[in-house]
Parts: sequence; structure tokens; C-alpha cells
Amino acid sequence: AQSVTQLDSQVPVFEEAPVELRCNYSSSVSVYLFWYVQYPNQGLQLLLKYLSGSTLVKGINGFEAEFNKSQTSFHLRKPSVHISDTAEYFCGTQGNKLVFGAGTILRVKS
Amino acid sequence: DVKVTQSSRYLVKRTGEKVFLECVQDMDHENMFWYRQDPGLGLRLIYFSYDVKMKEKGDIPEGYSVSREKKERFSLILESASTNQTSMYLCASSLGTGGDYGYTFGSGTRLTVV
Repeated sequence: AQSVTQLDSQVPVFEEAPVELRCNYSSSVSVYLFWYVQYPNQGLQLLLKYLSGSTLVKGINGFEAEFNKSQTSFHLRKPSVHISDTAEYFCGTQGNKLVFGAGTILRVKS
Repeated sequence: DVKVTQSSRYLVKRTGEKVFLECVQDMDHENMFWYRQDPGLGLRLIYFSYDVKMKEKGDIPEGYSVSREKKERFSLILESASTNQTSMYLCASSLGTGGDYGYTFGSGTRLTVV
């Protein structure tokens, strides 16, 4: 069965610093990987997705993720975060349904 | 843009009550999903539906049922609410299955069972 593991439950970071949110996946079939963001009191919004092709995927709001097959990872990165990036981030993998990790809360401090 | 609307933002129900959570999407999507979200556990799939009158169990279906009588509407039913069903419930829809199809989520219903 497909699954993802988010390695950090919370990541505190200062404004304008870089950030990496870690995600490892487990799958024996074709890999589709996603990152979603949930801002306070809102539903989930798609940040980016990897289906095939280039291993570096660019998403909205300056985020990007790199698919690494040898390390079975799909880490999310942003070179300089803003206060408004404070949210919960979910890594997901999709076969016939979308399966999520436990989430990582990104707290950006001024 | 596709819109997924959940009828209630907050609900408070008593133990033993029958609870209906409603979800409507406006873009003719085939697939609809119900997840519950709990701190530290992420989103867990309760039930999903590929078509009208069709339903499939997700990872945690116990204590829940669903109804899909019309394509645009997918209802989650708690037959006899219990306190361990206090949670945030998220509905989603997608045009198809597989990685090419993104999910659109509603804003969620926060259910408290007292």
C-alpha cells in the first residue's frame, strides 16, 4: 500500500530564513506525490504535484519540491519564508485515492 | 473554479444523535471523498464514491455511513454519534482517479460530540 511519512510534526523558523519540510514515501507502483497547505480555519489547497518528468517541481507561493527516487523522498523547500506561510503542510501520495502524511506545522516567527 | 461546499462550519451534537454532514460540489466531478482530520494523525479517509449510489470504504469507516443519491452531493452519516467522533471533517472531490486529477477540498466541518 502507498504511504507517506512526514518526519517533522512542527518546524519553527524565522521570517526570511529558508525552510525544508521533509516527506518520505513508500510505494511499489507508479508514484504520484503532492504537497497541500492548510491555512488556519481553511480547507486544503494544492501547492504542487509530481507526476513524472523533471524531479524539481515548482509550486505556488515560491515553494518547490524535489523528487528523489533513490532516497524515496519528496521534500518541500522555500528559500525565504514569510509570516503568511504559517500553516500546516501535508504530503500526499495518490493511487485510486489520496493518502496523507500526519502533517507538519510551519510556524514562521518575526 | 470548482467549489466544494460543506453545509456547516461548526456543529455540536449530543452522544447518540444521528448526524448528517452534507457536501456539495458544483463541477460535475465523478469522485467524492470524506476525510477526518485529527492533530498528529493528518487526514484519514472514511469513505469515497466513484459514482452515484456507489461507495467504497476508506481506512476508518467504522461508525460512519455515506449516501450519494445525486452526483453533486455526498453525505456523511454518523448513525449514533460518540465523543471519539469529535473531529474536523473534510469533503473533497475530483474529476477522476489517478495522479493527474487534483482534489478540491471544502472548508471543513468541525464537529463536537458532547
